[in-house]
Amino acid sequence: ELKVEQNPLFLSMQEGKNYTIYCNYSTTSDRLYWYRQDPGKSLESLFVLLSNGAVKQEGRLMASLDTKARLSTLHITAAVHDLSATYFCAVDGGATNKLIFGTGTLLAVQP
Amino acid sequence: GAGVSQTPSNKVTEKGKYVELRCDPISGHTALYWYRQSLGQGPEFLIYFQGTGAADDSGLPNDRFFAVRPEGSVSTLKIQRTERGDSAVYLCASSSWTSIADTQYFGPGTRLTVL
Repeated sequence: ELKVEQNPLFLSMQEGKNYTIYCNYSTTSDRLYWYRQDPGKSLESLFVLLSNGAVKQEGRLMASLDTKARLSTLHITAAVHDLSATYFCAVDGGATNKLIFGTGTLLAVQP
Repeated sequence: GAGVSQTPSNKVTEKGKYVELRCDPISGHTALYWYRQSLGQGPEFLIYFQGTGAADDSGLPNDRFFAVRPEGSVSTLKIQRTERGDSAVYLCASSSWTSIADTQYFGPGTRLTVL
């Protein structure tokens, strides 16, 4: 059974600081997704990572994928308050592309 | 419409009642997914449609849950004899299956509360 774990579960950080969220998964998968969720809102797609060594960047967020280690990271550079949200990684669960989500990381950026 | 829409946005019902939740995917998207998200958790897969057929219903928790997509567009998730444990946000997502990226785009969800 494919399992996805994120850490930390909660991250409080100051504006301007850097930090990394980790996503580990238990079995081989071809695709990994990062989503953002604001309180009471739905999920917004951030990144799709399709191959080993893939790196994608958007603004202050950068995601990478190491399929051999079954690890993805979401790196936050010089955090700003607007980045406060819950971040989920999700792994493609097989032929039907159903997504298996991690438990999420609640990010709170303090001024 | 531009995105996935879901109705109602909120549904409050009593234990034992029947409910229907509707999803209208992005136009042209052939793949449609239902997920359930409990408070403080990530979404959990329920069922997947490719066109009109349910290609994977392995996530449905029991036979009280059923979903249809008769014309390959709008889908309805049906829950019979609701229980308090069914309370959650039910999310619908669609994707195009035209590219390897296959990003799933999520709707705003239906918050179901079973009293």
